[in-house]
Amino acid sequence: QSALTQPASVSGSPGQSITISCTGTSSDVGSYNLVSWYQQHPGKAPKLMIYEVSKRPSGVSNRFSGSKSGNTASLTVSGLQAEDEADYYCCSYAGSSTHVVFGGGTKLTVL
Amino acid sequence: QVQLVESGGGVVQPGRSLRLSCAASGFTFSSYGMHWVRQAPGKGLEWVAVIWYDGINKYSADSVKGRFTISRDNSKNTLYLQMNSLRAEDTAVYYCVRDRGYCSGGTCYADGMDVWGQGTTVTVSS
Repeated sequence: QSALTQPASVSGSPGQSITISCTGTSSDVGSYNLVSWYQQHPGKAPKLMIYEVSKRPSGVSNRFSGSKSGNTASLTVSGLQAEDEADYYCCSYAGSSTHVVFGGGTKLTVL
Repeated sequence: QVQLVESGGGVVQPGRSLRLSCAASGFTFSSYGMHWVRQAPGKGLEWVAVIWYDGINKYSADSVKGRFTISRDNSKNTLYLQMNSLRAEDTAVYYCVRDRGYCSGGTCYADGMDVWGQGTTVTVSS
């Protein structure tokens, strides 16, 4: 069960946009539109930000958006704000037996 | 309100066992798949196991297969994780998590983990 591949870190200035990539395989990201993204602040539990590639749960800012092309999913955060500084994890359904796989996480720094 | 509260964490010696519990409230527990997800100190999230509505469909990560068992008691709105033969690398915060997924045609699909507990810490050390 290999983890999905994310960049270790990304950064941007307030007001700018950033994109975090999440690369999997044809067995997970490439086969299912069941990619989700999570935000985690230090010492806190993760929070669901995006599900089914691009859908936002109620209460999540529309500055967060998701997309997918082939085996790679992406999370875009537009209009960066200080409170967006956190770790972000992607996750994908990977078939019945493997079931779920997470990315290694990306630390977003707001400069 | 919707809530998950884990308990049962602690310090345990390598090779020993521990059982985690997760009490659910504020939603119809028997209608949801439930996961355990862990996070080692300073590391990323690692999926551990999932159990679907009726407790029949359940799956676990290769790293815990044969050692950890996930179960649920829908009459008590409680999720469990029985952890045997614990190793130092099992040291982590363990989160109980609700999935908004579904089962169809005998296959269950994880579709986003929308409610997380606060986590319980397990430390495996001699």
